[in-house]
Amino acid sequence: AQSVAQPEDQVNVAEGNPLTVKCTYSVSGNPYLFWYVQYPNRGLQFLLKYITGDNLVKGSYGFEAEFNKSQTSFHLKKPSALVSDSALYFCAVRDNTGGFKTIFGAGTRLFVKA
Amino acid sequence: DTAVSQTPKYLVTQMGNDKSIKCEQNLGHDTMYWYKQDSKKFLKIMFSYNNKELIINETVPNRFSPKSPDKAHLNLHINSLELGDSAVYFCASSLQGQAYEQYFGPGTRLTVT
Repeated sequence: AQSVAQPEDQVNVAEGNPLTVKCTYSVSGNPYLFWYVQYPNRGLQFLLKYITGDNLVKGSYGFEAEFNKSQTSFHLKKPSALVSDSALYFCAVRDNTGGFKTIFGAGTRLFVKA
Repeated sequence: DTAVSQTPKYLVTQMGNDKSIKCEQNLGHDTMYWYKQDSKKFLKIMFSYNNKELIINETVPNRFSPKSPDKAHLNLHINSLELGDSAVYFCASSLQGQAYEQYFGPGTRLTVT
């Protein structure tokens, strides 16, 4: 069965420092991986995805993610954090069975301190 | 020009009542979803429709009944509301297929008292 793990409940980083939000996955077959961000009292917003090709994927708001097949990881990164990046981040994997159900990780709260 | 909209945004009701949440998308997508987000922010798929056909039906009490009158609309009706139904319900849409991201509505916060 497909699964996604986000090992950190919260990540704290100072503004201007690089940030990493971790995600590992378990799928059978090729993984289709996504990152979403949720600001308070809002719906989720799509950041980026890995489907195939280059292991480094670039997305919205300066975020990028690195796909590592051997480590089954898809960590979200940003070279320089902003206070406005503070939010809840979800990693997700798309099921490859009928219906293509999306399985979300538990979420990681990112707190960027000024 | 909201992409995915939901009504109402807030819903406060008593146990035993029946309520509906409506969702509309203007993105031209053919697949729509209902998710439930609990108080710990855990997000779980409930239902998915593709071209008005139900394609995902998770282990959800049959008090919950989705309906898709057309590709742009997906409604959720809940009978005999229980305290445990209190949550934020999100509608989402996407193109059909594994490779496509989902676009989420703003959510409906349901509180059952």
